[in-house]
Amino acid sequence: GQNIDQPTEMTATEGAIVQINCTYQTSGFNGLFWYQQHAGEAPTFLSYNVLDGLEEKGRFSSFLSRSKGYSYLLLKELQMKDSASYLCAVRDGGFQKLVFGTGTRLLVSP
Amino acid sequence: ETGVTQTPRHLVMGMTNKKSLKCEQHLGHNAMYWYKQSAKKPLELMFVYSLEERVENNSVPSRFSPECPNSSHLFLHLHTLQPEDSALYLCASSQDDKHGRAGELFFGEGSRLTVL
Repeated sequence: GQNIDQPTEMTATEGAIVQINCTYQTSGFNGLFWYQQHAGEAPTFLSYNVLDGLEEKGRFSSFLSRSKGYSYLLLKELQMKDSASYLCAVRDGGFQKLVFGTGTRLLVSP
Repeated sequence: ETGVTQTPRHLVMGMTNKKSLKCEQHLGHNAMYWYKQSAKKPLELMFVYSLEERVENNSVPSRFSPECPNSSHLFLHLHTLQPEDSALYLCASSQDDKHGRAGELFFGEGSRLTVL
């Protein structure tokens, strides 16, 4: 089976750092993606990890541990516009397509 | 603008109606997808057309019928839907490799469907 878990909701303040965790159990693994989705808009790609370690892209970083089935998305210097849902998706090793978690809704307050 | 366009953006239909959702991608990708997004549930993959081959999620009811006339266009035909089918239907495209491994997905804005 496939199971991807994320916290449902998180809150943080402007300027702070927040870490959104994702754990997965899939029949195979072939890469992990993070997407951002603002209310009423399309999900947009943020990051991709296929090897263990940290990928940094500006204020956003994503980490992967394949042995632990674990990833996190780190958002630094939070801005109000970062309020959105963050979706973790695993590319299934057998099916080779993306399977999504339920998403984490992040609310950034002043 | 993601390069993936969906119409209509909003659709209200009765349980006996027949309607279709349309998706067009301008990215030159070789794979297109339909996902269903319901409140508090994961994005659910419904159908995939990749490298000219259709792959489907066996749990999707037959009242949903996809059509992919070419690599740039994708339709989702709807008939005799149920109120629980009300959701946001997202189209996406990607450039898959020769083994069918999905690349990064580019999503459309979605079609918000309400079934009365």
